[in-house]
Amino acid sequence: KNQVEQSPQSLIILEGKNCTLQCNYTVSPFSNLRWYKQDTGRGPVSLTIMTFSENTKSNGRYTATLDADTKQSSLHITASQLSDSASYICVVRVNTGFQKLVFGTGTRLLVSP
Amino acid sequence: DTEVTQTPKHLVMGMTNKKSLKCEQHMGHRAMYWYKQKAKKPPELMFVYSYEKLSINESVPSRFSPECPNSSLLNLHLHALQPEDSALYLCASSQEGRTGGETQYFGPGTRLLVL
Repeated sequence: KNQVEQSPQSLIILEGKNCTLQCNYTVSPFSNLRWYKQDTGRGPVSLTIMTFSENTKSNGRYTATLDADTKQSSLHITASQLSDSASYICVVRVNTGFQKLVFGTGTRLLVSP
Repeated sequence: DTEVTQTPKHLVMGMTNKKSLKCEQHMGHRAMYWYKQKAKKPPELMFVYSYEKLSINESVPSRFSPECPNSSLLNLHLHALQPEDSALYLCASSQEGRTGGETQYFGPGTRLLVL
């Protein structure tokens, strides 16, 4: 069964600190992995996308890593800001004819002043 | 313009009502999606339209009826819903739906409450 698991479920950090979110997946056949940010009551917004051959991808203060051998990914947030408070969802695309996405359960991040 | 719009933002309906959710995009995308998201849970795929044709129906109950009148619009018709159908309904679109590197752009969602 295709699954994406994330840890921790929730996280509280102080403004300015760094943090790392984890994602483990069992999706086959694998196409790509994305990290989305979802503010409460809003739709998810794509942060990064990585394919099988990519190890690291950065988008500003967000850096994602992918280890396709161990089927693990991480999202590192540097110098956190209050606006980083949101849910971060790891999403893996199944390599089928149509774009079918398997969503992780998300990590709820709260950045405290 | 990388925006997907959804109306209404909020909807309260009774179990005997008929209502519709609307989604619109003007990015020239040919794939559009409906997702259902319960609180603190990830989105669950309901339907995928590709080139205005229904391509994926994830065994969604018939009280949810999707419609794609043209390449920019996607509707979700609701009839005889149950209280457990209360959720955030998200619409998304992508270029074609078949290419691996496509990004799905999500709308802000319609928060639905069924009484």
